[in-house]
Amino acid sequence: EAGVTQFPSHSVIEKGQTVTLRCDPISGHDNLYWYRRVMGKEIKFLLHFVKESKQDESGMPNNRFLAERTGGTYSTLKVQPAELEDSGVYFCASSQGRHREQYFGPGTRLTVT
Amino acid sequence: GESVGLHLPTLSVQEGDNSIINCAYSNSASDYFIWYKQESGKGPQFIIDIRSNMDKRQGQRVTVLLNKTVKHLSLQIAATQPGDSAVYFCAETRVNQGGKLIFGQGTELSVKP
Repeated sequence: EAGVTQFPSHSVIEKGQTVTLRCDPISGHDNLYWYRRVMGKEIKFLLHFVKESKQDESGMPNNRFLAERTGGTYSTLKVQPAELEDSGVYFCASSQGRHREQYFGPGTRLTVT
Repeated sequence: GESVGLHLPTLSVQEGDNSIINCAYSNSASDYFIWYKQESGKGPQFIIDIRSNMDKRQGQRVTVLLNKTVKHLSLQIAATQPGDSAVYFCAETRVNQGGKLIFGQGTELSVKP
């Protein structure tokens, strides 16, 4: 069974540009989460989808971040325009239920210069 | 509270010794706790979990202890092996939070052969 996949693995962009990260959850997992780890700090929650619906986006830092999950399959996280403080590793996780084990992808390392 | 700084706490152990990694969690209302292992270039990987109605749970070579009185969680790894070298994160959540995980700072475990 394929695990959670994320694309790209690494992205380097200039301040002010736009970047879109993609996450493909494990097939059949309705719950999809985005997290990020900035500057070596702890991993922080961004938002949670159940199928195509946003259940909790309390961790989204500001309106430069837009997450979508059209059709309830893969999800994208767009940062527009990117700022220096957005640099970090963005993780996606999926689970069968809300209180079941979350399986993490390998992450996308975003570097904003 | 927020962790600061770029340097993770580090634990260095000799191969074959037992390791104990500690974590102080933040919310007394949290009722589900998980330990994750993150190797370089990979996403967090589930190790073991425990619910708040328990104070100890054992897995294969790992044991998690929960002390709700002082909001403390620990992970014990028996007969530590070089392959155990990684960053270990504790995470907490509440049943009514939809699975949103709150991560601790992380501890880097280094195993000397």
